[in-house]
Amino acid sequence: AQSVSQHNHHVILSEAASLELGCNYSYGGTVNLFWYVQYPGQHLQLLLKYFSGDPLVKGIKGFEAEFIKSKFSFNLRKPSVQWSDTAEYFCAGRAPGANNLFFGTGTRLTVIP
Amino acid sequence: DTEVTQTPKHLVMGMTNKKSLKCEQHMGHRAMYWYKQKAKKPPELMFVYSYEKLSINESVPSRFSPECPNSSLLNLHLHALQPEDSALYLCASSQVGWELFFGEGSRLTVL
Repeated sequence: AQSVSQHNHHVILSEAASLELGCNYSYGGTVNLFWYVQYPGQHLQLLLKYFSGDPLVKGIKGFEAEFIKSKFSFNLRKPSVQWSDTAEYFCAGRAPGANNLFFGTGTRLTVIP
Repeated sequence: DTEVTQTPKHLVMGMTNKKSLKCEQHMGHRAMYWYKQKAKKPPELMFVYSYEKLSINESVPSRFSPECPNSSLLNLHLHALQPEDSALYLCASSQVGWELFFGEGSRLTVL
């Protein structure tokens, strides 16, 4: 079955530390991949997306992700986190052109000032 | 702020009540979605409408009934719900095949 998985359930970092959140997918063919963020009490917001082309994708708020086909991975990175990055982060995926977007289990990020 | 508007933000209903959740977008998107999100869990897909036609029903119980009156509106009719249906219900919209834009959700409590 097509799915995405996130193995980090809760990550705690100090401000200015570097961040990498893991995401693996199990789609057999081409895939669209997304990272969404949900700040406390707020709606899901798109951080970045990968459809095709350059595997290094830059998003909003200084986030980036790299699509590595050989590892079936799409990890989210940020060189220096801030307290305001405290949120729940969801990786999501679907087959190109499909409407059924499925989410990973999410990673809760806590940034300590 | 999000461009997908959901009402009401909070709803409390009894198991015999009939209520509806509403969602509206004016971005010209032709795909609209309902997701259910329990606390500390990822959103789970319920329904997808594409060009106002139901294209995906993820085996959702019939006590949830979606409706898409036009390309801007999406409703979720609720009847005879169970306490375990209490959750945050999220509406989203997209151009078909593109990224989803989410509303803030309607928090439902079933007593």
